[in-house]
Amino acid sequence: NAGVTQTPKFQVLKTGQSMTLQCAQDMNHEYMSWYRQDPGMGLRLIHYSVGAGITDQGEVPNGYNVSRSTTEDFPLRLLSAAPSQTSVYFCASSTGQGAYEQYFGPGTRLTVT
Amino acid sequence: GNSVTQMEGPVTLSEEAFLTINCTYTATGYPSLFWYVQYPGEGLQLLLKATKADDKGSNKGFEATYRKETTSFHLEKGSVQVSDSAVYFCALILSYGNNRLAFGKGNQVVVIP
Repeated sequence: NAGVTQTPKFQVLKTGQSMTLQCAQDMNHEYMSWYRQDPGMGLRLIHYSVGAGITDQGEVPNGYNVSRSTTEDFPLRLLSAAPSQTSVYFCASSTGQGAYEQYFGPGTRLTVT
Repeated sequence: GNSVTQMEGPVTLSEEAFLTINCTYTATGYPSLFWYVQYPGEGLQLLLKATKADDKGSNKGFEATYRKETTSFHLEKGSVQVSDSAVYFCALILSYGNNRLAFGKGNQVVVIP
């Protein structure tokens, strides 16, 4: 199993550009999430999904869109990039409800100039 | 709302020293608590967890006890190795229905040979 994969690993965008961060998992997990990691801030939840066709906002959703058309994929779209979105983005997945382990991808480092 | 607080600042120590990283929580009831570890250039991975008060989680020589009297979940290891150099995050489950987690800000641990 590949686990949770994310592409690209690195990306540089200009202000106003749009892009999609890809996330896929091959563990048949129902739950998937997107976090951003900033120095001194820990991880903050952007959006999450409890199954195909179901998404909801997390702590910092503004400027981001998600969709979940399949169990495997959970892309994160930046509609109009801003320098404040410079961060490291992590996708995570887990199985079922309860205190289950979340499996994290290797991250995407995004810089917006 | 429910949250976790980690001690401020990085931790630098010598190989074979004793490691403690403090984590305190604010919560209604007794939600499950976790420690995640992030090695350089990687995503987070679960280190250990405790699902109810007075539980002890342990893994790879690390331990943490869920103490409701002091609302704490401190991480300890008796003899650290250089390979333990990483960032450590304390986390608390916000909702069992969707596996949402709240993370602390993280502590960088550097072990010197």
